[in-house]
Amino acid sequence: EVQLVESGGGLVQPGGSLRLSCAASGFTLSNYWMHWVRQAPGKGLVWVSRINSDGTSTTYADSVKGRFTISRDNAKKTLYLQMDSLRAEDTAVYYCAKTGPSGGDHFDYWGQGTLVTVSS
Amino acid sequence: SYVLTQPPSVSVAPGKTARITCGGNNIGRKSVHWYQQKPGQAPVLVIYNDSDRPSGIPERFSGSNSGNTATLTISSVEAGDEADYYCQVWDSSSDHLYVFGTGTKVTVL
Repeated sequence: EVQLVESGGGLVQPGGSLRLSCAASGFTLSNYWMHWVRQAPGKGLVWVSRINSDGTSTTYADSVKGRFTISRDNAKKTLYLQMDSLRAEDTAVYYCAKTGPSGGDHFDYWGQGTLVTVSS
Repeated sequence: SYVLTQPPSVSVAPGKTARITCGGNNIGRKSVHWYQQKPGQAPVLVIYNDSDRPSGIPERFSGSNSGNTATLTISSVEAGDEADYYCQVWDSSSDHLYVFGTGTKVTVL
């Protein structure tokens, strides 16, 4: 059974940093591109970042470019999101999501999410 | 930037059919995916590549895509189908490469 379990969320002051983790099981992480998607309270889904299967290529939404860093450790079966220079507008539930098979551009499994609150 | 527009809400009686639209410029040329999200839960993929269903998703869920509108159809609606539904496409010209629709709240009367 595919499982994605996020951790690392919490309350942080504006300008602060946080690192999210996503532990993967039930599939071979190294075979799949992975993503982070966020959802502000009461709002819709917004894609944040992606990383290719071996970690050599990353892409970011403009809103987080230069502040967030996605990475992965396939040996540890874990995906990460380093978030620096956090702003109030980064407050959201952050989901890690697995790319569908055959390189599809959809997300076939999601974690339960971890809440990040940026506030003084 | 590519925009996907959904109606904010759709209401349907149990046993009837719900249709949720997703409008976008020439969306018929793209692959559309649909997610169901119940309160406090993570999204679940219910339709991918316009009309394919992942394993475990009931046949009551179906999708179509043509022209400027994609549609998610839920037949014989059940109380458990009450949720938010989001469409999604990939658009290389958008800042957010993976673009989500605005979301539709389906209420079962």
